[in-house]
Parts: sequence; structure tokens; C-alpha cells
Amino acid sequence: SAVISQKPSRDICQRGTSLTIQCQVDSQVTMMFWYRQQPGQSLTLIATANQGSEATYESGFVIDKFPISRPNLTFSTLTVSNMSPEDSSIYLCSVELRDYEQYFGPGTRLTVT
Amino acid sequence: GDSVTQMEGPVTLSEEAFLTINCTYTATGYPSLFWYVQYPGEGLQLLLKATKADDKGSNKGFEATYRKETTSFHLEKGSVQVSDSAVYFCALLLTGNQFYFGTGTSLTVIP
Repeated sequence: SAVISQKPSRDICQRGTSLTIQCQVDSQVTMMFWYRQQPGQSLTLIATANQGSEATYESGFVIDKFPISRPNLTFSTLTVSNMSPEDSSIYLCSVELRDYEQYFGPGTRLTVT
Repeated sequence: GDSVTQMEGPVTLSEEAFLTINCTYTATGYPSLFWYVQYPGEGLQLLLKATKADDKGSNKGFEATYRKETTSFHLEKGSVQVSDSAVYFCALLLTGNQFYFGTGTSLTVIP
């Protein structure tokens, strides 16, 4: 398995501001993923982040709203830009280790007021 | 399209009761199937998986069998404990690392 940490664990932000979420892994991984889990709902993949290339975004998510960085094999950031209350969610990063198994971070609980 | 349909909750059971959480899937190819568990205040953890038809995944007393004929991957446990209280997610994975998650089933086990 992998040890995955996220910062911050939770935050309350004002409408119109931006928040950058960090994801750190204790081993080098090629693929990292960012998900959103809205209240009472399942996980939705936002984007896939491979080191050395542009992130690949899923339908309904755009780079201007959710810019992602992947500077090395153990770290990634997701920024939620120009936030609105609809962005209130838990944001999770995950990594693929082997046999297509994904391991998830503890999540960042974001509340936008 | 590809999707996972999961039994709706919440589910409340007494300790030592038998648990079944239903999960069925729709997929164009041959997916791998997973159960993830999310304990209160924590992130998702991989509980078990099965990568081909008739495989049985098992962990911590939980089991699920990959049934291609019924496109199902039901989660079972013979005797639940209070510590099993969590939200359980069924998921499928096709090629390209695209996971599809079910909506989650909340389980509460009472003493």
C-alpha cells in the first residue's frame, strides 16, 4: 500500500476565492488522480495527473476551474478556483500502485460560504 | 454506458447479523471489480477486489464473488461487528484507469 497525505484536511472559504490542495505520497507513482465527493454522493473523477504531462480532465471539468500541477512523482496539487457554494465537497487524491489498485488520501473537506 | 448500481442505504444491523450489500454493473468490456470502505472521518480504503469472472475477493471476513452471468459483485459478511460501521462503495475499473463508483451504502451496526 501507500501512505498518502493531503493538506489541508478541511477549510472554509469565501465565495470567489481559490484554494490549493496538496497531495503527498510516500513512494514514487506514475499516475495520480483527483476526485470530488459531493455531499451524499459517490466519487467523481476530476482529472488524471501524470508527471511530465498536462493533466487529463473528465467531461464537465476544465483546467481554468481546477488547475493541477504534478511537479514530481510524489506530489500533486489541485486548485479550486473562483469558488462558489456548489464547490463544497470532499476532494480526494488517489494513486495507482499495481494491478490497477488505487489508494486514496484522507480527503480535504471544503466548505464555501 | 459503463456504470455501477449499488443497493441503497442506510442499512442498520445488529451485531453478529449477516450482511449483504448488492452491487450490479454495466460494462462494455471485462472490468475489474472492487469494494472500498470509508470509515467515519477517513479516506477510502480498498477492502477487496476481483479481476476476472468467478474470482472471489476476501478480506477482514468480507467476501464478494465476480458473477459475470448476473453482472454482480455482492458484498457479504457472515457476522458483522460494530467496527464494520462505515460507508461501502462498489467500483469497477475498465482499461485506461477509469474507475466508476457506486453511490455508496451506509452501514450501521448496533450492539
